[in-house]
Amino acid sequence: DADVTQTPRNRITKTGKRIMLECSQTKGHDRMYWYRQDPGLGLRLIYYSFDVKDINKGEISDGYSVSRQAQAKFSLSLESAIPNQTALYFCATSDSRTGGVRELFFGEGSRLTVL
Amino acid sequence: RKEVEQDPGPFNVPEGATVAFNCTYSNSASQSFFWYRQDCRKEPKLLMSVYSSGNEDGRFTAQLNRASQYISLLIRDSKLSDSATYLCVVYFNTNAGKSTFGDGTTLTVKP
Repeated sequence: DADVTQTPRNRITKTGKRIMLECSQTKGHDRMYWYRQDPGLGLRLIYYSFDVKDINKGEISDGYSVSRQAQAKFSLSLESAIPNQTALYFCATSDSRTGGVRELFFGEGSRLTVL
Repeated sequence: RKEVEQDPGPFNVPEGATVAFNCTYSNSASQSFFWYRQDCRKEPKLLMSVYSSGNEDGRFTAQLNRASQYISLLIRDSKLSDSATYLCVVYFNTNAGKSTFGDGTTLTVKP
């Protein structure tokens, strides 16, 4: 089983619908992130959380919200989906205890299409 | 100007070729540097960290030039399985410690 699990893996929805993408991890990491990737582009940070009570906006947080329900769970919501939110979404984790190394561990991605 | 910039390529090379990718970053306070590999429609995975002294892992060599704010990745003796997108990642160890990704360089190794 994957250490970082995202659900759903694929979702097609319509404009205006509320969508939730879920992420859970078994790595015991304290930090969790949501990234978005558009074709031909790198990953852009939407939100990140350093622990259960910590939520921070990334560079493209407009139109998104998150919830850190537990150390192992971090969900991303689109309150009213729009077509330009069609993208590949990645959840990632990292461990603040690893000193200078900040390796990110990614889930397999959630492909969202908004019609 | 983007914080992390890469030559997007694509790089199309024959098997056995040597290929080099470059990456520049704009924030001189950047602390950690990485190359990730991403296969088509898959999640990125860490290929190697980049150290000031340069580091090598088999056919892969990464180098960092802090003065020029430049990172490179050299792949020797390219294999078909090296075909992927290579992402340059810079980590800023501030209160909002987070990683910034380049847009990636696509490599296709052909027989």
